[in-house]
Amino acid sequence: DVKVTQSSRYLVKRTGEKVFLECVQDMDHENMFWYRQDPGLGLRLIYFSYDVKMKEKGDIPEGYSVSREKKERFSLILESASTNQTSMYLCASSTQTGVQPQHFGDGTRLSIL
Amino acid sequence: GEDVEQSLFLSVREGDSSVINCTYTDSSSTYLYWYKQEPGAGLQLLTYIFSNMDMKQDQRLTVLLNKKDKHLSLRIADTQTGDSAIYFCAKKEAGTASKLTFGTGTRLQVTL
Repeated sequence: DVKVTQSSRYLVKRTGEKVFLECVQDMDHENMFWYRQDPGLGLRLIYFSYDVKMKEKGDIPEGYSVSREKKERFSLILESASTNQTSMYLCASSTQTGVQPQHFGDGTRLSIL
Repeated sequence: GEDVEQSLFLSVREGDSSVINCTYTDSSSTYLYWYKQEPGAGLQLLTYIFSNMDMKQDQRLTVLLNKKDKHLSLRIADTQTGDSAIYFCAKKEAGTASKLTFGTGTRLQVTL
């Protein structure tokens, strides 16, 4: 089974802090994604990566950056956390061929105080 | 950009069938997916359909695709309390690097 692991289930940080969310997948997938999930808005894509050291902006990249130094790990960085970044963050991975469903981690519920 | 719409809430009685609907605006697609999210968890892939198919059945799940009306539905037969969750449809656009566009999600509540 594909396993996508997010480092924290719950995280509380303060406004202005630099926040790191980590995601690791064990299936050698080329693609990795970061979403945020807010009630009534569904999932919105923040950034994605289709290869090591490659990154592409999604629909809402402002206030975020990412890092992909190794194929299995994709990090989301909040450079200076703000209260409007309080949300559920979901990481996913997929292959680049075939049906390509995305496999998700359990999510990190981040609260910015 | 692409819009994928779902109604926010659906309530059904245990044992009845549930039908969750999804509409989209852009007709270029390769695959369409249904995901389930249980409380406090990530999204779990339930099923998918290729865009040249009209229907796919998988045990209690039936997916219908009407390309003309840009309408996708998920029918759950004999709905159980364990089916209570949020259901997301998602659409893979042709030519993109596996990017999916997700609907807003439908919360299914199953009552006794």
